Amino acid sequence: GAGVSQSPSNKVTEKGKDVELRCDPISGHTALYWYRQRLGQGLEFLIYFQGNSAPDKSGLPSDRFSAERTGESVSTLTIQRTQQEDSAVYLCASRLDRGSDGYTFGSGTRLTVV
Amino acid sequence: TQLLEQSPQFLSIQEGENLTVYCNSSSVFSSLQWYRQEPGEGPVLLVTVVTGGEVKKLKRLTFQFGDARKDSSLHITAAQPGDTGLYLCAGAGSARQLTFGSGTQLTVLP
Repeated sequence: GAGVSQSPSNKVTEKGKDVELRCDPISGHTALYWYRQRLGQGLEFLIYFQGNSAPDKSGLPSDRFSAERTGESVSTLTIQRTQQEDSAVYLCASRLDRGSDGYTFGSGTRLTVV
Repeated sequence: TQLLEQSPQFLSIQEGENLTVYCNSSSVFSSLQWYRQEPGEGPVLLVTVVTGGEVKKLKRLTFQFGDARKDSSLHITAAQPGDTGLYLCAGAGSARQLTFGSGTQLTVLP
């Protein structure tokens, strides 16, 4: 597709359940990022994939969070044993190169933990 | 850790007024970007500034990068309701990912 696609767009889950969020980046974009955004706030970095290099996981808030990416395609962000503080919009972005190019963001997945 | 502070956090103005949003840091960035985000959507890139002192204009929006590359401003002339949104600055520095500011929520009233 022409843009970054994220699914689902909305997810309501019960506390303690696991959730999996999906991101389809723009074809050919080697860099992929996951960010978390709480209501009306800025973006909090979670994890970064660049080609076949080891991912930068320095932003993951706890070991309940993990992410995978197959080559330069789809990525999944998994949150285990969800907590209410995990409620947020999870945004995925891709970029062609590590230079000064801007990110292209998806519309996000709004996660609500009840 | 590189941090970006934006001010003001909230801004509500009447159509036709001018406004300035500020993005400040104690760190130097190699480039700085401005994004606008509307409800239910991801942020959309408006501009990238790279050179200290650089000024870029995008219609009624004027972006400036500080001489020391630690701060930036966004000025909107004759604001319109369509300018309403969350404005985010983001810096590229020592980390491989962008560092985002906390955002300025702008509301332009008709």
